[in-house]
Amino acid sequence: DIQLTQSPSFLSASVGDRVTITCRASQGISSYLAWLQQKPGKAPKLLIYGASTLHSGVPSRFSGSGSGTEFTLTISSLQPEDFATYYCQQLNSYPQTFGQGTKVEIK
Amino acid sequence: EVQLVESGGGLVQPGGSLRLSCAASGFTYDIYWMTWVRQAPGKGLEWVANINPDGSEKYYVDSVKGRFTISRDNAKNSLYLQMDSLRAEDTAVYYCARGTVAGYWGQGTLVTVSS
Repeated sequence: DIQLTQSPSFLSASVGDRVTITCRASQGISSYLAWLQQKPGKAPKLLIYGASTLHSGVPSRFSGSGSGTEFTLTISSLQPEDFATYYCQQLNSYPQTFGQGTKVEIK
Repeated sequence: EVQLVESGGGLVQPGGSLRLSCAASGFTYDIYWMTWVRQAPGKGLEWVANINPDGSEKYYVDSVKGRFTISRDNAKNSLYLQMDSLRAEDTAVYYCARGTVAGYWGQGTLVTVSS
């Protein structure tokens, strides 16, 4: 199975900060990577797929990059509604797997 | 508007069975792959299974193979997860989602396996 390792696992930031989360795959997955956001008690929401394509309705402050084994999610200017847990997910091969999550909290 | 509504969760004893349903609306159901993802209390997301549009292809995470069965009824716009031989470690909120890239999610249904 492909393992995804996110870093950091926890991030404390302020409104307006630029935030970057990294996801590393244990083997190459081309661009078959998605990023999701989850708030407490809610279902996850898709932010980015294909490593860099923004899902419909997602604000442009979110962006994704990378291919192969290293990927990043960047929030250009953190907003109050962005405090949440973020997951990467690989869709290159079965079983699909998720990273362990990165919790973004208010500094 | 895309809507996915899960049902069928509850408390079940170890070794028991449960059938989850997911009612889909607001889109052309029979052209989409569908997915089940679960989340144990306080833990991260775990992909469970998915199924292709006509139900002929199914994939599972190893930990549920032989115990869980994903299926769909395109005439009823519904997705199912039959869960047998349930274990304590299957306790989780189960979400259905549209697509292999899960662009839309239901609200989830809680399954608790406990004696």
